[in-house]
Amino acid sequence: QITLKESGPTLVEPTQTLTLTCTFSGFSLTSSGVAVGWIRQSPGKALEWLALIKWDGDKRYSPSLRSRLTIIKDTSKKQVVLTMTDMDPVDTATYYCAHRRDYSHFDPWGQGILVTVSS
Amino acid sequence: EVVMTQSPATLSVSPGERATLSCRASQSISIFLAWYQQKPGQPPRLLMYDASTRATGIPARFSGSGSGTEFTLTISSLQSEDFAVYYCQHYDSWPLTFGPGTRVDIK
Repeated sequence: QITLKESGPTLVEPTQTLTLTCTFSGFSLTSSGVAVGWIRQSPGKALEWLALIKWDGDKRYSPSLRSRLTIIKDTSKKQVVLTMTDMDPVDTATYYCAHRRDYSHFDPWGQGILVTVSS
Repeated sequence: EVVMTQSPATLSVSPGERATLSCRASQSISIFLAWYQQKPGQPPRLLMYDASTRATGIPARFSGSGSGTEFTLTISSLQSEDFAVYYCQHYDSWPLTFGPGTRVDIK
């Protein structure tokens, strides 16, 4: 059974850097075709894909947020870490990580973590 | 960037009725489309991928169709647990993008 869980701060101040960790089980991020992505959802809004890291280390970012995002993996710890710099109140959202296989859909998703940006 | 649009924004349906949700891509994405269902306070749940393949455990009342730029998710007979928001997402190219969602509520 594949599971993912997001962890990190639930409150950050404007201009700070957000660091979120996705801890997963049930799969290996060294297996061909496997990836982990980050997606966020502002309150009452639609889903927005942020970043993805593949089994071979290839990384992809949303063009609109590329300059602020970094994604890395630690396969031994079964973790994927996303950092987002220069946080702003508009970045308040639930942040999800999700498993992706074979260059396709996201399944399953973690439960998400609500991050509020406020001073 | 492929822009995904969904219609209608809200669909009011009575239990037992059929619901038809539309998703359109701004350029051809072949069949590289997924549908997700999201209920309040929950993460999205995969319903369909490759436009018409049901995910594991998804009831047969859900069906998907389409290719290129026009896609449809049909729920043949709405059950109480189907009232939710539905999102489409393409995976044809980078960046991955989602549609704005269709809310299915009780008429």
